[in-house]
Amino acid sequence: GAGVSQSPRYKVAKRGQDVALRCDPISGHVSLFWYQQALGQGPEFLTYFQNEAQLDKSGLPSDRFFAERPEGSVSTLKIQRTQQEDSAVYLCASSWEDTGGAEQYFGPGTRLTVT
Amino acid sequence: KQEVTQIPAALSVPEGENLVLNCSFTDSAIYNLQWFRQDPGKGLTSLLLIQSSQREQTSGRLNASLDKSSGRSTLYIAASQPGDSATYLCAAQVTGGGNKLTFGTGTQLKVEL
Repeated sequence: GAGVSQSPRYKVAKRGQDVALRCDPISGHVSLFWYQQALGQGPEFLTYFQNEAQLDKSGLPSDRFFAERPEGSVSTLKIQRTQQEDSAVYLCASSWEDTGGAEQYFGPGTRLTVT
Repeated sequence: KQEVTQIPAALSVPEGENLVLNCSFTDSAIYNLQWFRQDPGKGLTSLLLIQSSQREQTSGRLNASLDKSSGRSTLYIAASQPGDSATYLCAAQVTGGGNKLTFGTGTQLKVEL
């Protein structure tokens, strides 16, 4: 079956522009996660959804970052007024259950470059 | 707060060598410990997942062990091949941490002919 997909794969934005990154999780997966990976670093947690409910957004670095999953499937991560420090790879992951311990499956990521 | 450390940061070995990658974590209250592989410009590929009740998991030439009491996990790669060259990341899922993964910074492995 299809894995987690993300689009676009690459995005170049001028400083101050708004961007929207899309994640299509594996069909039927309840949980969805967004992570940010800076160059040479491990991914860092941004936010977590259980179906359409955003249960944890403690990792969002500022109020310029906003995520939604309105119908409990596709999710969008939006970054307003992008800054150079937002340049990173944004990874989406999904898992089939909402209890702890379930394996997370990752998409290929979106590489965002802010110029 | 969970902190995950990986040593070494980079490793270069000749083909055929057996090798060990290390991962340590500060909070032993975990659901599981996952090992991933990341190729340049790519996403994460899950290699092995060890539940907190398990001591090790094996898949082909890979073997991962978990010692919760000491806060350590190791990934053993047998008979390394050039195709094993990649960055290897470990991640811990903390109980009560909202199911998120906390990652180490990775070990960049190069297997030379």
